[in-house]
Amino acid sequence: EVQLVETGGGLVQPGRSLKLSCVASGFTFNNYWMSWTRQAPGKGLEWVASITNSGGSTYYPDSVKGRFTISRDNAQNTLYLQMNSLRSEDTATYYCTRDGSYGWFAYWGQGTLVTVSS
Amino acid sequence: DVVMTQTPVSLSVSLGGQVSISCRSSQSLVHNNGNTYLSWYLQKPGQSPQLLIYKVSNRFSGISDRFSGSGSGTDFTLKISRVEPDDLGVYYCGQGTQYPYTFGAGTKLELK
Repeated sequence: EVQLVETGGGLVQPGRSLKLSCVASGFTFNNYWMSWTRQAPGKGLEWVASITNSGGSTYYPDSVKGRFTISRDNAQNTLYLQMNSLRSEDTATYYCTRDGSYGWFAYWGQGTLVTVSS
Repeated sequence: DVVMTQTPVSLSVSLGGQVSISCRSSQSLVHNNGNTYLSWYLQKPGQSPQLLIYKVSNRFSGISDRFSGSGSGTDFTLKISRVEPDDLGVYYCGQGTQYPYTFGAGTKLELK
């Protein structure tokens, strides 16, 4: 059974940093692209970042490019999202996903809530 | 960016009934490789989203055949037949043809 467990969310002040983790199990981690997608409270879904199975390439929307970094440790079956220079508009539940090819998100974690507020 | 427009915003249905949700994209979703990367998700109350349909019409593992996807180019439809209580929630379409990946704003399915 595919399992994705996110941790690392919490309350953080604007301008500060936070690092999310996602531990994967139930599949061969290094065979799949992985992504982060977020959902602001009461709002829709927004794709945040994707990484190839090897970790060699990463992709971001303009809203987080230069502030967020996606990475992975295939030996530890773990996906990361380093978030710097956080803003109030980054407040959201962040979901880790295992991807199908070309941007469909086959499996989702339970999410971790990030609140950016002073 | 590709804008995904879903209609209606909300939908009321009787159990056992049939509904359709429309999703239109601001640009063609046909990829250079000939595939169309349009997917559908359901987010039940208090839960994470789950994949229903990928590449327009392919049901994901374990998804009932009551769910069907169709369409091409910029115009897509999700149909749900014989609606059950477990089908209620918010439905999202999403495109993976072009970066940045984008989603529609969602369609809330409620009981009449």
